[in-house]
Parts: sequence; C-alpha cells; structure tokens
Amino acid sequence: EAGVVQSPRYKIIEKKQPVAFWCNPISGHNTLYWYLQNLGQGPELLIRYENEEAVDDSQLPKDRFSAERLKGVDSTLKIQPAELGDSAVYLCASSLGGIPTDTQYFGPGTRLTVL
Amino acid sequence: GNSVTQMEGPVTLSEEAFLTINCTYTATGYPSLFWYVQYPGEGLQLLLKATKADDKGSNKGFEATYRKETTSFHLEKGSVQVSDSAVYFCALTTNAGGTSYGKLTFGQGTILTVHP
Repeated sequence: EAGVVQSPRYKIIEKKQPVAFWCNPISGHNTLYWYLQNLGQGPELLIRYENEEAVDDSQLPKDRFSAERLKGVDSTLKIQPAELGDSAVYLCASSLGGIPTDTQYFGPGTRLTVL
Repeated sequence: GNSVTQMEGPVTLSEEAFLTINCTYTATGYPSLFWYVQYPGEGLQLLLKATKADDKGSNKGFEATYRKETTSFHLEKGSVQVSDSAVYFCALTTNAGGTSYGKLTFGQGTILTVHP
C-alpha cells in the first residue's frame, strides 16, 4: 500500500513569492492534516479536513495561507506571499477517520526555504 | 489546553545501553498517547500507542505504559542499537469536543544518538 505522497520534497523561493505544496493521502483515508514543523520542534497542526470539509483551521494564518481539498482526496496548501519566517517543513498526514485513537500516517514533508 | 513535555536532549548512548525518554502531558478530556519516530531523512512514523490507562504499547523492542496517575508515557528500550538513532516525539489526542477532537499535540522531540 502506498503511503502519503507529498511534492515537492524541497523548495527554495525568495520572500514575497507564492508557493504551493501538494499531498496525496493514503487511499480510503477520509481525514487529512497539514502540519508545520519548525527546526527542533514538534509538528503543529495547521488545518484538518474531514473529506472535503475543513473542520479545524484555527491555526492557519489566513492572511497568507490557504488550503483546499477538492473531491475529498488530494490537497494543496498555498502560501502567498511567503515570508522569511515561513521556512520550515510542511507535513501532510492522513487517517481513516478523525477519532482520537486513529493512527495518523505522515508523508516525508516538504522542506521550504525562503530567502 | 493540551500539552506534552519531553525530556530535553540530545541523548547519547552506547550500543546495548538502556534507554528511557520521559514524557508527561496535560490534557482536556481523555487522551490517547503516541510515540512517533523520525529517522534521518525520513518522515514521521508511528512507533507505538496506548489508548487507555494502564495500557502498554510496544513495538521493535520499545515499550511505553500509559500512567494516568502520573500523567506520563515514558519510552523505554532495554538494549538500544545504532539503528535506533533518530528523533522521538511523544504526542496525544483527546476525545474533548470542538475543534481539538482528534488533533495531535506533539512534544518538542528528543534526539537519540547511539554509538557502536
């Protein structure tokens, strides 16, 4: 079974440029998560989807970040415009459903560097 | 709110040494507890989990017991190997209502290095 797929793996951009990350969850997983991981810290949730509905986006900086999950499968996270402080690893995860005991499966992440 | 505190690293051990990484938590609602591992150059992987008090999660020689009375979920391994070198994250989710339901809260991670 294929795991969570993310692309690109690495991205280097200049500040004020836009950037987008793509995630394909494990087949059959209804819940999709985007996390932000700063260097030396644990991941922090940005947004959670149940199918195509964003059920928790309270930590997403909506002035510059946006996300979508069309048809309840793939998802895209966008930053426009990027700032220096956005340099981090962006992780996508998926689970069968959103219940607390579900295992969340993580993709390899996209490492973003903003110059 | 929910929070997870891990012992500060990095932790450096010789092969076959005993490992303990401490993890304590605070939670609203009933938590499920997890240990995730991140090997160099790889994504986060679930190592083990426990979903109710006194449960013991185990995998690859690692163990952790859900201790509600001490709000702890310490990770242990009797004999570490060089291949165990990685970053270990303690995490929790809870059944509390609202937007926090099912949300993973992570500790800051503990870097483990095992020397031959």
